[in-house]
Amino acid sequence: EAQVTQNPRYLITVTGKKLTVTCSQNMNHEYMSWYRQDPGLGLRQIYYSMNVEVTDKGDVPEGYKVSRKEKRNFPLILESPSPNQTSLYFCASSSRMGSDTQYFGPGTRLTVL
Amino acid sequence: AQSVTQLGSHVSVSEGALVLLRCNYSSSVPPYLFWYVQYPNQGLQLLLKYTSAATLVKGINGFEAEFKKSETSFHLTKPSAHMSDAAEYFCAVSDTSGTYKYIFGTGTRLKVLA
Repeated sequence: EAQVTQNPRYLITVTGKKLTVTCSQNMNHEYMSWYRQDPGLGLRQIYYSMNVEVTDKGDVPEGYKVSRKEKRNFPLILESPSPNQTSLYFCASSSRMGSDTQYFGPGTRLTVL
Repeated sequence: AQSVTQLGSHVSVSEGALVLLRCNYSSSVPPYLFWYVQYPNQGLQLLLKYTSAATLVKGINGFEAEFKKSETSFHLTKPSAHMSDAAEYFCAVSDTSGTYKYIFGTGTRLKVLA
């Protein structure tokens, strides 16, 4: 089954404790992206990757890191989480950027205390 | 920078009534335009997209949207609302100004009244 998977689905952590949210897709997609969803703000793009070893900042990259060492995986790293990073996070992938449909993962709900 | 505006964060319609969700974009060059739907506790899934072919785009579940360049709009409609349409709807554009970003609107939560 074609899908985007994220782990964990739920995470409660404390300020400053490094964490990684994994994202994997099995569709051989080139483009992958991370978003955060906050009430009243919609989805905002954090980082995106056009292919292996090619990443760039979205609109809200501060406090986040990403890497793309393999085509299927695109982990999101919070090196020192803060309470303002409490949010619902989505990973998405598409064949290419532009007109192609993005396929979204189920989301990761992160709470930083 | 491109932006997407969705008018109305909450819209309520009666079952069987017309659904109209509004989306306007800001771009001098027509971008690619998308409508996604998010059901409770789920990720987003594509409803329909405009990719510079036909200006009237038909999607899943009876939804359609019309691209109007002169109005920079891409409003989503459905002739007759069903209870199962209750969800949050997001309009999005892919940036054609040289970056590889996607920009989403703030979303419209649709409530369908029995």
